[in-house]
Amino acid sequence: EVQLLDSGGGLVQPGGSLRLSCAVSGFTFSSYAMSWVRQTPGKGLEWVSSISGAGGTRDYADFVRGRFTVSRDNSKNTLYLQMNSLRAEDTALYYCAKAPRGVHVTFDYWGQGTLVTVSS
Amino acid sequence: QSALTQPASVSGSPGQSITISCTGITSDVGGYNFVSWYQQHPGKAPKLLIYEVSDRPSGVSNRFSGSKLGNTASLTISGLQAEDEADYYCSLYTSRINVIFGGGTKLTVL
Repeated sequence: EVQLLDSGGGLVQPGGSLRLSCAVSGFTFSSYAMSWVRQTPGKGLEWVSSISGAGGTRDYADFVRGRFTVSRDNSKNTLYLQMNSLRAEDTALYYCAKAPRGVHVTFDYWGQGTLVTVSS
Repeated sequence: QSALTQPASVSGSPGQSITISCTGITSDVGGYNFVSWYQQHPGKAPKLLIYEVSDRPSGVSNRFSGSKLGNTASLTISGLQAEDEADYYCSLYTSRINVIFGGGTKLTVL
């Protein structure tokens, strides 16, 4: 059974940092692209970042490029999102999501989400 | 920045069919159409219903179907059931824009 378990969310002040993790099981992690997608009540779903199976290709949405870094440890079956210089508008529920192939053209499994709140 | 437009809400009675539109679809290099549809119940993660315009993952009911005409993709739900009441999102991937989502459509089963 495919499982994705997001963690690492919390309350952080503007300008602060947070690292999200996504531990996966039930599939060969290194064979699939993985992504982070966030959701806010006001803006709905937003794609944040993706990383290829081997980790050599990383893509970012314009609104996080230069502030967020996606990475993965295939030996630990874990995906990460390092978030720096956080802003109030980054407040959202963050999901990790699996692609059904090597490119993130769609997302066939999602984590349960981890809530990030940026506020002073 | 490209945008996908969905109706904010749709409704239907049990047993009826409804269609949710998603406008603003463009094709990827090579003519590929990476349109997906997701269902999200309150407090739950999105669930993939349709990928590549009209393909269904295993386990998804055949009451859900997808299509595309011009720059508009559509999700049709036939034989509406109470459990179909949820939010529905379309998404598009192209190598130029990466992934964008529609604003979501709230389906109410009357």
